[in-house]
Amino acid sequence: EVHLVESGGGLVQPGGSLRLSCVASGLTLSDYAMNWVRQAPGKGLEWLSYISSSGGTIYYADSVKGRFTISRDNAANSLYLQMNSLRGEDTAVYYCARDPSTTTNLDRPGAFDPWGQGTLVTVSS
Amino acid sequence: DIQMTQSPSSVSASVGDRVTITCRASQGIDTWLAWYQQKPGKAPKLLIYTVSSFQSGVPSRFSGSGSGTDFALTISSLQPEDFATYYCQQSYRFPYTFGQGTKLEIK
Repeated sequence: EVHLVESGGGLVQPGGSLRLSCVASGLTLSDYAMNWVRQAPGKGLEWLSYISSSGGTIYYADSVKGRFTISRDNAANSLYLQMNSLRGEDTAVYYCARDPSTTTNLDRPGAFDPWGQGTLVTVSS
Repeated sequence: DIQMTQSPSSVSASVGDRVTITCRASQGIDTWLAWYQQKPGKAPKLLIYTVSSFQSGVPSRFSGSGSGTDFALTISSLQPEDFATYYCQQSYRFPYTFGQGTKLEIK
């Protein structure tokens, strides 16, 4: 069974930094593009960032561009989100999510499945 | 950016009712539209992708339809486990965007 597990969340002061991790099991992460999505308390879902299977193509939402950096270590089956210059409005649950399609198998194109359980980031003084 | 607008924002319904949630994109997105279900405290789960294709294990009472800019998720006969929040999402162009969500509540 495919699982994604995020970690690294916590309480951080405004202007601070955190690095989130997402470890995959039951799949070879290097086969898949990955995404980060967040959800502020009581709010909807906000897509943040995409990284291709090789890491060669990356996209960001304007809200985090220049402050957040997505990366991956395929050997460690892991995805990361480095978050700098954190603000109160970055307070949210952060999810990693897989794009199920690959270069050789157009499985559920454009969809996100599975998602991790989420990790809570709280930015407050 | 492509804006995704869902309606209604919330709906109250009873077990056995038929419910339709709509999602409108600010520009054409071909068939790059997915629907997710989220229950309180849980991660979203994929229900439908490419407008009308079912994720494995999704009950047949769920269906997706639409094209271009206007899409819909229909639940033909509500079951107790269907009360949740539903989101549409476009993956036609980056930045990917979600609708604001529709909360389905028990009447």
